[in-house]
Amino acid sequence: AQSVTQLGSHVSVSEGALVLLRCNYSSSVPPYLFWYVQYPNQGLQLLLKYTTGATLVKGINGFEAEFKKSETSFHLTKPSAHMSDAAEYFCAVSLDMGNKLVFGAGTILRVKS
Amino acid sequence: EPEVTQTPSHQVTQMGQEVILRCVPISNHLYFYWYRQILGQKVEFLVSFYNNEISEKSEIFDDQFSVERPDGSNFTLKIRSTKLEDSAMYFCASSTRQGDPGKLFFGSGTQLSVL
Repeated sequence: AQSVTQLGSHVSVSEGALVLLRCNYSSSVPPYLFWYVQYPNQGLQLLLKYTTGATLVKGINGFEAEFKKSETSFHLTKPSAHMSDAAEYFCAVSLDMGNKLVFGAGTILRVKS
Repeated sequence: EPEVTQTPSHQVTQMGQEVILRCVPISNHLYFYWYRQILGQKVEFLVSFYNNEISEKSEIFDDQFSVERPDGSNFTLKIRSTKLEDSAMYFCASSTRQGDPGKLFFGSGTQLSVL
């Protein structure tokens, strides 16, 4: 069965600093991988996804993530944090192209001025 | 931008009561889903629905739960006899087709509190 582990329930960075949110997965077959963001009082919004092909994927708002099969990881990064990036971020995995997602527990990102 | 709408945003009910959570998916979408998140826990898949029938459901989705698309625009989740452990944020989602990986549009959720 698939599972997702997000290391760190809370991450705090200074504005302009690198953002690194960690995600590791377990799956018996190559999965599809996703990052979602949830702003306060809003729904989950897709940031980026990996299905096949290039292992470095770029998403919205300057975020990107790299699929590393050998490390079973899909960490989310952004070179320079902005105050508007403060939100909760969820990593998710699917075996069937997104019909059923298995989510990690989420990481709340705080950006300090 | 089109969005998935959920009502109400908050629902408080007594244990044993029936609740209906309502969702209006994006109009041209064909696949519908319910997920839930118990406070402090992961977002969990409950059920997927296509062509007026359940495509897949999780272990959580027992006989107390049902889904319906009553009128071609709404998609509802009914809990017949609520339990304390049903307290959670319930998310509705919709997508255009199976082959668009991960392109689920989520609503902002209904926070259900069972007292």
